[in-house]
Amino acid sequence: DADVTQTPRNRITKTGKRIMLECSQTKGHDRMYWYRQDPGLGLRLIYYSFDVKDINKGEISDGYSVSRQAQAKFSLSLESAIPNQTALYFCATSERGSGANVLTFGAGSRLTVL
Amino acid sequence: KQEVTQIPAALSVPEGENLVLNCSFTDSAIYNLQWFRQDPGKGLTSLLLIQSSQREQTSGRLNASLDKSSGRSTLYIAASQPGDSATYLCAVFAGTYKYIFGTGTRLKVLA
Repeated sequence: DADVTQTPRNRITKTGKRIMLECSQTKGHDRMYWYRQDPGLGLRLIYYSFDVKDINKGEISDGYSVSRQAQAKFSLSLESAIPNQTALYFCATSERGSGANVLTFGAGSRLTVL
Repeated sequence: KQEVTQIPAALSVPEGENLVLNCSFTDSAIYNLQWFRQDPGKGLTSLLLIQSSQREQTSGRLNASLDKSSGRSTLYIAASQPGDSATYLCAVFAGTYKYIFGTGTRLKVLA
């Protein structure tokens, strides 16, 4: 099994629908992140969480919300999806106290909003 | 504001060539720099991490160098193979939570 698992892997939805992307990890890492990848723009940080009670906005949090249900689970919600949220979404983890802060990524969730 | 640039955006080479991928960044105040590989439909896999105090790291046919003063890192791939075809991204870690990613170089190695 993958260290960081994202579900669903692919989702097509319509404008205005609520969507949840889920992420679970078996790394035992404290820190979890949600990134968005768009062609030509690189990865951009949506939200990050350093533990269950510590959730922070990243550079592009508008239109998104998150929930850290447990140390191992971090979900991303789009309350009312819009077409410009069509993108590849990645969950990542890293270990607190590790000076290198190496990121471990999930396989990605491709979201298409029609 | 930290910016990370990768040039070229795409590269096509014949099998067996040695090649260099470039990554430049505008602010030398970084903790480390990571090189990732991304395959279509898959996540990012960390290839090499260079701490700010280091000059280079090696793993198999891969060698990454870091020159903080000039804001540059290179990823050297020796004896390229078709299986090396992927997108390669660099990312600088500016501390706490902040990773800044480049847009990647899409590499195709022709058999």
